[in-house]
Amino acid sequence: AQTVTQSQPEMSVQEAETVTLSCTYDTSESNYYLFWYKQPPSRQMILVIRQEAYKQQNATENRFSVNFQKAAKSFSLKISDSQLGDTAMYFCAFMKLDTGNQFYFGTGTSLTVIP
Amino acid sequence: KAGVTQTPRYLIKTRGQQVTLSCSPISGHRSVSWYQQTPGQGLQFLFEYFSETQRNKGNFPGRFSGRQFSNSRSEMNVSTLELGDSALYLCASSLSGQGGLNTEAFFGQGTRLTVV
Repeated sequence: AQTVTQSQPEMSVQEAETVTLSCTYDTSESNYYLFWYKQPPSRQMILVIRQEAYKQQNATENRFSVNFQKAAKSFSLKISDSQLGDTAMYFCAFMKLDTGNQFYFGTGTSLTVIP
Repeated sequence: KAGVTQTPRYLIKTRGQQVTLSCSPISGHRSVSWYQQTPGQGLQFLFEYFSETQRNKGNFPGRFSGRQFSNSRSEMNVSTLELGDSALYLCASSLSGQGGLNTEAFFGQGTRLTVV
């Protein structure tokens, strides 16, 4: 079974500062994908960033980057230059490779950006 | 292009009733997955449909069922509603049927179901 753990239920950060959200996972799979999704008050889940487990290079999307440590089964999200629009719930998610589109989600981290 | 559309957005039902929720995926997407989101249990996978076939199923009782039509639209049905079924139900559509390829899932805004 796959499990995803987000140990920080709530976090806050000053506008323009940097914040890191933690995620660990447990799996016996060797090939998989990891994701960070954002859920603003509108409730719509939005993909922030994706990492393929077979790639050693950490994924980056503009102000968002990950620190993927496969051996440690750790997948943290770093948000640089935080903006008010980053205020949302952030979910870490795992997907096995080639077995359909089934996500295993963590419990989420509520991030508040303070002006 | 149009996003994932879920209808209705809000629903109030009485215990014991049944309910049907609808999800229209992005045009061309053939995979539709359903998730239940509650404060206590978080996001839990219900099932996935691809080309009208259920491919994966989560650990939910048989009261939860779904189907997918030839135009990829999907419905989920919950029979004999219980108070604990109150939740936000999200659907996600993806282009391909293989996890890993074209894995970006686009989510709808959800249906908020309240059981009283």
